[in-house]
Amino acid sequence: EAQVTQNPRYLITVTGKKLTVTCSQNMNHEYMSWYRQDPGLGLRQIYYSMNVEVTDKGDVPEGYKVSRKEKRNFPLILESPSPNQTSLYFCASSLGTERQPQHFGDGTRLSIL
Amino acid sequence: AQSVTQPDIHITVSEGASLELRCNYSYGATPYLFWYVQSPGQGLQLLLKYFSGDTLVQGIKGFEAEFKRSQSSFNLRKPSVHWSDAAEYFCAVVPLTGNQFYFGTGTSLTVIP
Repeated sequence: EAQVTQNPRYLITVTGKKLTVTCSQNMNHEYMSWYRQDPGLGLRQIYYSMNVEVTDKGDVPEGYKVSRKEKRNFPLILESPSPNQTSLYFCASSLGTERQPQHFGDGTRLSIL
Repeated sequence: AQSVTQPDIHITVSEGASLELRCNYSYGATPYLFWYVQSPGQGLQLLLKYFSGDTLVQGIKGFEAEFKRSQSSFNLRKPSVHWSDAAEYFCAVVPLTGNQFYFGTGTSLTVIP
């Protein structure tokens, strides 16, 4: 089954404790991206990657890191999480051309205390 | 400034009634346009997309959208709403010259039996 898998689905942690949210897709997609969803703000793109070893900042990259060492994986790293990063996060992927519609994971709800 | 606007935060309709959700964008040239639906606790699912050609686009679940260049709009419609259509709906764009996805703030749909 074609899917985008995020882990964990839920996480409660404390300020400053490094965390990684993993994202993996099995569709051989070149384009992958991370979003955060906040009430009243919709989805905002954090980072995106057009291929292995190629990453670019989205609208809200501050406080986040990403890496794309393999085509299928695109982890989101919070080196020193803060409460304002409490949010619902989505990973998505799409075919080689970046304007193809994105397939979304089921989301990761992060709470930073 | 470039933006995607969904003017209606929340809409309530009766089951069987028609539905129209509004989306306006402001970009220099017609971007690539998408509508997604998000059911509670789920990721986003693509309803339909517009790249070029026929301005009336058919999607899944009986939805359609009409692109109007003169109004910079891409409104989503459904002739007869079902209770299962209750969800959050997002309009998204990708500018012709860029690789980023921009989402509107979403419209929450409630369906009354």
